[in-house]
Amino acid sequence: DADVTQTPRNRITKTGKRIMLECSQTKGHDRMYWYRQDPGLGLRLIYYSFDVKDINKGEISDGYSVSRQAQAKFSLSLESAIPNQTALYFCATSRRGFANNEQFFGPGTRLTVL
Amino acid sequence: RKEVEQDPGPFNVPEGATVAFNCTYSNSASQSFFWYRQDCRKEPKLLMSVYSSGNEDGRFTAQLNRASQYISLLIRDSKLSDSATYLCVVTISSNTGKLIFGQGTTLQVKP
Repeated sequence: DADVTQTPRNRITKTGKRIMLECSQTKGHDRMYWYRQDPGLGLRLIYYSFDVKDINKGEISDGYSVSRQAQAKFSLSLESAIPNQTALYFCATSRRGFANNEQFFGPGTRLTVL
Repeated sequence: RKEVEQDPGPFNVPEGATVAFNCTYSNSASQSFFWYRQDCRKEPKLLMSVYSSGNEDGRFTAQLNRASQYISLLIRDSKLSDSATYLCVVTISSNTGKLIFGQGTTLQVKP
């Protein structure tokens, strides 16, 4: 079984709809992250969480919200989806104190907003 | 100016060739440096960390030049399986664990 899972893997929705992307991990890591990837722009950080009570905005948090329901679960919500939120979304985890800051990524969710 | 800049390529090379990718970063306070590999439509995975003294892992060699704020990745004896996008990544603070990604350089190795 994959250590970091994301659901759904693909989603097509319409402008104005509320969407939730979910991430679960079995790695026991305390830190979790949400990124989006757009062609030509690389991965950009949306939100990150160091533990259940510690949530921080990344560089592009507008239009998104998150919930850290448990150490193993980190959800990303789009309250009212718009077409420029069409992207590939990745969840990642890392362990505090891990020397090389390696992050482990989920398989991604491809979101299309029409 | 982007914080981490890479030539997007694509780099098209024959099997067995040696290919080098470069990356520049803008923040002189950057502390840690990495190369991640991303296969088409898949998640990024750590390829190797980059140390000030340079480091090698098989056919892959990474180098860091702090004075010029420049990172490189050299791949020797390219294989078809090396075809992927290579992401240059830096962190400003090891405490936060936040990674800053370049847009990636695409490599296509041809038979």
